Amino acid sequence: GENVEQHPSTLSVQEGDSAVIKCTYSDSASNYFPWYKQELGKRPQLIIDIRSNVGEKKDQRIAVTLNKTAKHFSLHITETQPEDSAVYFCAASSTDSWGKLQFGAGTQVVVTP
Amino acid sequence: EPEVTQTPSHQVTQMGQEVILRCVPISNHLYFYWYRQILGQKVEFLVSFYNNEISEKSEIFDDQFSVERPDGSNFTLKIRSTKLEDSAMYFCAIRTGTSKPDTQYFGPGTRLTVL
Repeated sequence: GENVEQHPSTLSVQEGDSAVIKCTYSDSASNYFPWYKQELGKRPQLIIDIRSNVGEKKDQRIAVTLNKTAKHFSLHITETQPEDSAVYFCAASSTDSWGKLQFGAGTQVVVTP
Repeated sequence: EPEVTQTPSHQVTQMGQEVILRCVPISNHLYFYWYRQILGQKVEFLVSFYNNEISEKSEIFDDQFSVERPDGSNFTLKIRSTKLEDSAMYFCAIRTGTSKPDTQYFGPGTRLTVL
């Protein structure tokens, strides 16, 4: 089955700096890669996603890149703000498998003012 | 974003008791999922449900677990005889299956505490 590895487990950045989180996946059939943000005690909230027919996607300060050959994808947050502090999870799924999401272990991002 | 509610928000139960967790999507959806998250850990897939039957389940989803959609709206997860290790947040997720076919939206979750 699919295995998703996520690094780093914690990330501290100064406000205004960029943050990068990296994930690798094992199943070449995976074709959908969402990123979720989870604040303490809250639900995972989708922030951006990318499908395997696209190499990069951007939404304001957030971007995701995908390298299908190397089986890795990354989340980039620019101009970080204190409200970006949360746990970020990457995930992977294949539409062949009824869409179950396989999550990475999460990255605790702390943005210090 | 589609709205999903879950009840109860917090359930405390004794080991060996049965619990039923409920998910109520506001509008009709075809795909439903249950995930769980043990405190401080990653989100884990339990089961997917499509067209009123289980389409896929994980190793975690053993005979103690069951899902159903009894009245066409509520989507329930039942744990027959709870164990201490069942303590976790349980999230329901729905998939719209339309313009963004893969996208899953999570409910607010039910915190299950087994004593």
